[in-house]
Amino acid sequence: DAKTTQPPSMDCAEGRAANLPCNHSTISGNEYVYWYRQIHSQGPQYIIHGLKNNETNEMASLIITEDRKSSTLILPHATLRDTAVYYCIVRGSGNTGKLIFGQGTTLQVKP
Amino acid sequence: GAVVSQHPSWVICKSGTSVKIECRSLDFQATTMFWYRQFPKQSLMLMATSNEGSKATYEQGVEKDKFLINHASLTLSTLTVTSAHPEDSSFYICSAAQGVSNQPQHFGDGTRLSIL
Repeated sequence: DAKTTQPPSMDCAEGRAANLPCNHSTISGNEYVYWYRQIHSQGPQYIIHGLKNNETNEMASLIITEDRKSSTLILPHATLRDTAVYYCIVRGSGNTGKLIFGQGTTLQVKP
Repeated sequence: GAVVSQHPSWVICKSGTSVKIECRSLDFQATTMFWYRQFPKQSLMLMATSNEGSKATYEQGVEKDKFLINHASLTLSTLTVTSAHPEDSSFYICSAAQGVSNQPQHFGDGTRLSIL
């Protein structure tokens, strides 16, 4: 599976949009981009995933560049409860399905 | 949404004890379940993949005789840490997948294991 690169930490003001970048320059054609987040002392929570089109759900939007080498997770109106470690993971559709976690981005939402 | 329940959420036991952790998918059938371990201030590390009715596949460096995994039904997988020692103290997390290749995995809330 392709490796991802994320900034180790980011800050965001409460109520503003949080834009979390992820680089996956070695992604291959059948690999999806998944985003999870982990709030302290809890299991990871699924946020969103996509292949090549932009995706939106009740939690977030996922913007994938046309060349698919990077993506951005957007939390449109961050709240203090969005403070967490956010993981961007690339996974192929034909493998065993395992997710390999990197170090993620620690997002601190500040009042 | 898909719910994965993990039990117990927290356990403290003496060195040498064996500890069993359960992972249940409550509202879907999980053909595959995964077990992770997470040490403080570190990311999740995949330990093993288990498929219902077959032997688990362990990641490199994970002792299969130390960490026994059973996936006897489509809704239950168990991880048994045998003869646990203080260095096995960690946060153990399971996840479950329905088997449709691009569908997301859903995670339990983890089990914090402390070995005295």
